[in-house]
Amino acid sequence: SAVISQKPSRDICQRGTSLTIQCQVDSQVTMMFWYRQQPGQSLTLIATANQGSEATYESGFVIDKFPISRPNLTFSTLTVSNMSPEDSSIYLCSVDPLGQNEKLFFGSGTQLSVL
Amino acid sequence: GQQVMQIPQYQHVQEGEDFTTYCNSSTTLSNIQWYKQRPGGHPVFLIQLVKSGEVKKQKRLTFQFGEAKKNSSLHITATQTTDVGTYFCAGLTSGTYKYIFGTGTRLKVLA
Repeated sequence: SAVISQKPSRDICQRGTSLTIQCQVDSQVTMMFWYRQQPGQSLTLIATANQGSEATYESGFVIDKFPISRPNLTFSTLTVSNMSPEDSSIYLCSVDPLGQNEKLFFGSGTQLSVL
Repeated sequence: GQQVMQIPQYQHVQEGEDFTTYCNSSTTLSNIQWYKQRPGGHPVFLIQLVKSGEVKKQKRLTFQFGEAKKNSSLHITATQTTDVGTYFCAGLTSGTYKYIFGTGTRLKVLA
């Protein structure tokens, strides 16, 4: 299993500013994922955070808007840049501890509201 | 791109009634997982199905993977108020490491 600490748990931000979300795992994991969940919707994969290399972004998400860092095997950050109200959402980090596509563990999420 | 749809989108049941959610993928899956998300919470892994036609049970929950590995179902017998939440399937396509989450089914159980 894996215990994931994600912070902040929620924030209210002004349009045009940036917010960095942190995700700390209690064990070393190869793959970390960042998801967005808009109110009442499903989870959409933003990117896969790779240690030692650039993140892999999904269609519709770009590095300039969602820069990701992965300095080591237990930590990652996602920044939501130049925010607009459309970025209001829950952001979740997730890990696959075994790296064998067996199960995902999720952080508690960051609820972001942009005014 | 690959899509994973779930029906129904919402379901309200009386406590004690059964509940089923169906998951359909536009592509063949190598495996499928199910997650439960309580209101205000994060998704929690329930189970993984890998084999064609596989059926697994967890107490009152029965999970099934279709023969063609393109659909799956979750059936809850005699629902309880603790079953409230949104149930997501998540499919994995062979050759990838990314799970595509279904649209979800939100279950409300009326006491």
